[in-house]
Amino acid sequence: NAGVTQTPKFQVLKTGQSMTLQCAQDMNHEYMSWYRQDPGMGLRLIHYSVGAGITDQGEVPNGYNVSRSTTEDFPLRLLSAAPSQTSVYFCASSYGVQGATYEQYFGPGTRLTVT
Amino acid sequence: ILNVEQSPQSLHVQEGDSTNFTCSFPSSNFYALHWYRWETAKSPEALFVMTLNGDEKKKGRISATLNTKEGYSYLYIKGSQPEDSATYLCAFSSNAGNMLTFGGGTRLMVKP
Repeated sequence: NAGVTQTPKFQVLKTGQSMTLQCAQDMNHEYMSWYRQDPGMGLRLIHYSVGAGITDQGEVPNGYNVSRSTTEDFPLRLLSAAPSQTSVYFCASSYGVQGATYEQYFGPGTRLTVT
Repeated sequence: ILNVEQSPQSLHVQEGDSTNFTCSFPSSNFYALHWYRWETAKSPEALFVMTLNGDEKKKGRISATLNTKEGYSYLYIKGSQPEDSATYLCAFSSNAGNMLTFGGGTRLMVKP
């Protein structure tokens, strides 16, 4: 199993550009989520999904969209990038629809810089 | 926004020392408490998930306890080794268990 994969690993955007961060898992996990990690802030939940077709907002959803058309994929879209979105983004998945009850499997992360 | 606090923020110990960290979380509407180990340039990896008051979990030299009534969990490392150097994160889930709130982490550095 590849586990949780994320692409790209690094990305530089200009303010106002849009892009999609890709996340895929091959463990048939129902629960998937996106976090951002900023110095001194820990991991903060952006959006999560408890299954295909179901998404919900986390702690810091503004400026981001998600969709879940398949169990495997959970892309994160930045609609109009801002310097405040410079961060490291982690995708995670876990077993079960109450996914925060189970251990999270994290992807390798995407380092995004917005200039 | 739930408040999950970890202390200390960082810790330097000598090889062979035993150490412990604290995670404080809201004592109401508890659902689950997670501990993760995060090495530099890698992704967080799960150590423990605890759901019941009084839970104690152990993996090798690392163990954790949980007190949901007073809202804290301890992570213990016995006989620290340089390879234990990492950031240790705790995360709290309440109510329906769909959202995890992470603490800021404790960075452990073990000197040979």
